[in-house]
Amino acid sequence: EAQVTQNPRYLITVTGKKLTVTCSQNMNHEYMSWYRQDPGLGLRQIYYSMNVEVTDKGDVPEGYKVSRKEKRNFPLILESPSPNQTSLYFCASSLNTYQPQHFGDGTRLSIL
Amino acid sequence: AQSVSQHNHHVILSEAASLELGCNYSYGGTVNLFWYVQYPGQHLQLLLKYFSGDPLVKGIKGFEAEFIKSKFSFNLRKPSVQWSDTAEYFCAVNPWGGATNKLIFGTGTLLAVQP
Repeated sequence: EAQVTQNPRYLITVTGKKLTVTCSQNMNHEYMSWYRQDPGLGLRQIYYSMNVEVTDKGDVPEGYKVSRKEKRNFPLILESPSPNQTSLYFCASSLNTYQPQHFGDGTRLSIL
Repeated sequence: AQSVSQHNHHVILSEAASLELGCNYSYGGTVNLFWYVQYPGQHLQLLLKYFSGDPLVKGIKGFEAEFIKSKFSFNLRKPSVQWSDTAEYFCAVNPWGGATNKLIFGTGTLLAVQP
């Protein structure tokens, strides 16, 4: 089954404790992205990647890192999480920019 | 800066009413346009998309949207809504004609359909 898998689905942690949210797709897609969704703000793109080792900043990259060492994986790293990064995070992938993005089920992060 | 505006934040309709949700974007170049839907507790799913050609595009579940270049708009319509259309709707723009997978979303419109 074609899917984008994010882990964990839920996480409660404390300020400053490094965390990684994994994202994996099984569709051999070139393009991957991370978004955060906040009430009243919609989805905002954090980072996107057009291929292995090719990443670029979206609209809200501060406080986040990504890597794309393999085509299928695109982890999101919070080196020193802060409470303003409490949000719902979605990973997405697409074959190219003319195809719709396939979204994962989301990761709800709470940073205390 | 590029932006996408959805003017209606909350819409409440009765079943069988007609729906139109507004979407305007600020980028002047070639764009790819999308409407996504998010049902309660679920991830986003594509409703329809526009890249070129006929400015009136049809999507799933009876939705359609019209691209009006001169107005920088891509409004979503449905002639007769159903209770199952209750969801949040997001307009999204890919600027630069798809040269990258940068995607800018509007803030969303929450639609509640009353039976």
